[in-house]
Formats: sequence, structure tokens, C-alpha cells
Amino acid sequence: KAGVTQTPRYLIKTRGQQVTLSCSPISGHRSVSWYQQTPGQGLQFLFEYFSETQRNKGNFPGRFSGRQFSNSRSEMNVSTLELGDSALYLCASSLDGRGNEQFFGPGTRLTVL
Amino acid sequence: GDSVTQMEGPVTLSEEAFLTINCTYTATGYPSLFWYVQYPGEGLQLLLKATKADDKGSNKGFEATYRKETTSFHLEKGSVQVSDSAVYFCALQNSGNTPLVFGKGTRLSVIA
Repeated sequence: KAGVTQTPRYLIKTRGQQVTLSCSPISGHRSVSWYQQTPGQGLQFLFEYFSETQRNKGNFPGRFSGRQFSNSRSEMNVSTLELGDSALYLCASSLDGRGNEQFFGPGTRLTVL
Repeated sequence: GDSVTQMEGPVTLSEEAFLTINCTYTATGYPSLFWYVQYPGEGLQLLLKATKADDKGSNKGFEATYRKETTSFHLEKGSVQVSDSAVYFCALQNSGNTPLVFGKGTRLSVIA
């Protein structure tokens, strides 16, 4: 069974640009969650999607958005990038998010210059 | 809100040494508790979990017991190996569809 895949693995952008990250969950998983990992703040929850609907949202500005498609693949978008957005963005999938194990992808390393 | 506090690292041990990584939590209700491990360049992998008080989670020689009275979930391993070098995260989930809340992570380095 293929694991969670995230593309691209590495990304370099400049301030003010926007970026889109992609996550393909494990086949059959309908819940996708996104986390931001930084050395200073650790792992912080961004949002969770289930059946194309945002079910939970963390405490991030509106520049961070996401969506989920009918095949459960998810994208997150960050607009007007800031230096502080440099981080590892992790995606996790689970069957339905209701206490089931979350399986993490390898992450996308975003560097904002 | 809910929070997880784990010991600061890095922790450096010799091979075959005993490992303890402390984790305490603050949460309303009765959360499920987890330990995740992150190897260099990879995402997080679930190491073990416990869903109610006094449960012991175990995997690959690692153990942790859910202690409600001390709100703790300390990770232990009797004899660490070089291959255990990684970052370990303690986490909680307060109810079925709420997000995971993570501690800051503890980097473990095991030297031969």
C-alpha cells in the first residue's frame, strides 16, 4: 500500500510570492490534515479536510488556505509569503480522522528568501 | 487549551543505555496519548499510543504508560541502539476528530 506522498519535496520562493503544496493520502483515507513544523514553534496544526470539507482549523492567518478534491487529494496554498513561513509542511491522512491513526508524509520543505 | 510538555533535548546516550524522555500534558477530559518518531529527512511515524488511564503502549522495545494521576506519558527503552537516533514527539488527541497537539520534540543521539 503506497504511503502518503507530498509534492514537491523542496521549494524555494521569495517574499510576496504564493505557493501551492500537494498531498496524496493513502488510498481509502478520507481525512487529510496539514501541519507546519518549525524549530521555534514545533508542530502546529493548520487545518483538516474530510470529504472535501474543512472540518477543523488551526490558528493561522487567512493567507493559509487549503482544499480537498473528490479523490481525497489535498492542496494547501500560502499567499503573500513571509520569511516566517519557511518551514517543513507535513500532511497526514487517516481513514476518517476520528481517532484513527494518522499517517504522515515526508513533508515539503519551503524556504522563503 | 490542551498542551504537551516534553523534556528539552538534545539527549545523547551511549549504545545500550537506558532511555527516558519525559512527557506531561494538560487537557480537559480524557485524551489519547501518542509518541511519534521522526527520522532524518522523513515524516512522523507513530511509535506507540495509549487511549485510557493505566494503558501501556509498546513497540520496538519502547514503552510508555498513561498516568492520569500525574498527567504523564514518559517514553522508556531499556537498551537504545544507534538506529534509535531520531526526534521523538509526544502528542495528545482530546476527542475523536480534534487535531493532534504535539510537544516540541526531543532529539535523541545514540553513539556507538
